[in-house]
Amino acid sequence: KQEVTQIPAALSVPEGENLVLNCSFTDSAIYNLQWFRQDPGKGLTSLLLIQSSQREQTSGRLNASLDKSSGRSTLYIAASQPGDSATYLCAALNNFNKFYFGSGTKLNVKP
Amino acid sequence: DTEVTQTPKHLVMGMTNKKSLKCEQHMGHRAMYWYKQKAKKPPELMFVYSYEKLSINESVPSRFSPECPNSSLLNLHLHALQPEDSALYLCASSRDREGNSPLHFGNGTRLTVT
Repeated sequence: KQEVTQIPAALSVPEGENLVLNCSFTDSAIYNLQWFRQDPGKGLTSLLLIQSSQREQTSGRLNASLDKSSGRSTLYIAASQPGDSATYLCAALNNFNKFYFGSGTKLNVKP
Repeated sequence: DTEVTQTPKHLVMGMTNKKSLKCEQHMGHRAMYWYKQKAKKPPELMFVYSYEKLSINESVPSRFSPECPNSSLLNLHLHALQPEDSALYLCASSRDREGNSPLHFGNGTRLTVT
């Protein structure tokens, strides 16, 4: 069974700092890896989707990379803002069309 | 605003009640999902419908009964729930189940079982 781990569990940074969130997975046979953000009491918002054949995806200040061979993905957030404060989850899609979620990184960006 | 709409936003029910959660999307997606999320935990997959047919049931107790009346609607019928079933229930959809499209989530229904 796929296991997805996110480190750190929580992160607090001052506004304007660049930061990296980490996601690792045990089974490299994935179709894609997706990053989400979740605000308290809300659903998940899709941020970036990386297909298994891709190395990275970018959207605005966000850049996600994927290294299947090492079982790792990173989410890079440039010039962080207080509005970026949320929990960030990664999810790996495996051959049986099941998304396996990590436990998330709770990010706090201080003004 | 999310393109996946879930109703109600909050639900309180007793253990003998019967209630239903509803989910609707008009993006033409053919795969729809129910997830359960406990506090400070990641979402756990419950059911997957593909082209209106149930394709995955993650060994969910029979007190949860999914239904997909058409390609835009997904229901979750609840009966004789337990207090430990209290959680955020999330609906999601994707264009297909082939892994080429992202999951889109609704804002969830916060369920409390008393």
